[in-house]
Amino acid sequence: QVQLQESGPGLVKPSQTLSLTCSVSGGSIATGDHYWTWIRQPPGKGLEWIGYIYYSGRTYYSPSLWSRVSISIDTTMNRFSLELSPVTAADTAVYYCARRTYHTTGRFDTWGQGTLVTVAP
Amino acid sequence: QSVLTQPPSASGTPGRSVSISCSGSSANIGNNPVSWYQHVPGTAPKLLMYAYNQRPAGVPDRFSASKSATSTSLAISGLRSEDEAHYYCAAWDDSLNGVVFGGGTELTVL
Repeated sequence: QVQLQESGPGLVKPSQTLSLTCSVSGGSIATGDHYWTWIRQPPGKGLEWIGYIYYSGRTYYSPSLWSRVSISIDTTMNRFSLELSPVTAADTAVYYCARRTYHTTGRFDTWGQGTLVTVAP
Repeated sequence: QSVLTQPPSASGTPGRSVSISCSGSSANIGNNPVSWYQHVPGTAPKLLMYAYNQRPAGVPDRFSASKSATSTSLAISGLRSEDEAHYYCAAWDDSLNGVVFGGGTELTVL
């Protein structure tokens, strides 16, 4: 059974770079049907899709975040990462990594527990 | 303002049924499968339904979904206290070229 675990700093200063990693266990990240995803939830708000990456490195980003976001994948370490820069207080959120099965017709079938990132001086 | 529209809240009594709507457009629900997620704050969201009305293993058949042209609904029958959660719909949007979520519906079991 695949499991995902987020890691990274819980506090980031405004204008700096938010960096998170999602470690995948119980299965290979280099599979043809899956897209490795970042989703966030600001306090008191709903879920927001950030983007996802295929094992080949092909990426898909939210139109509202694409200019500030980068998702990368390391198939040798079985993990993928998120960078968001520059950040503001509006980027404070719980960040989840998830696995999406299939692209446009897909679903997020496995989720990490989430990690809170606060943007503050 | 979410691309997919859900009511902010819903409620029902134990044993009864409740329905949560998700309204979109031809660019998303009208052309791509919808998935539903159950989220208890402080925990990981859980896939509840996909491809409009398919349930992952372990999701009871008390949960079902239906679809019309550009909207879909999640129905929960035999409500239980453990069904109290936030529920989100999601779909690929062909115009935005990305995944869109509904704003979420908070379900209260009275």
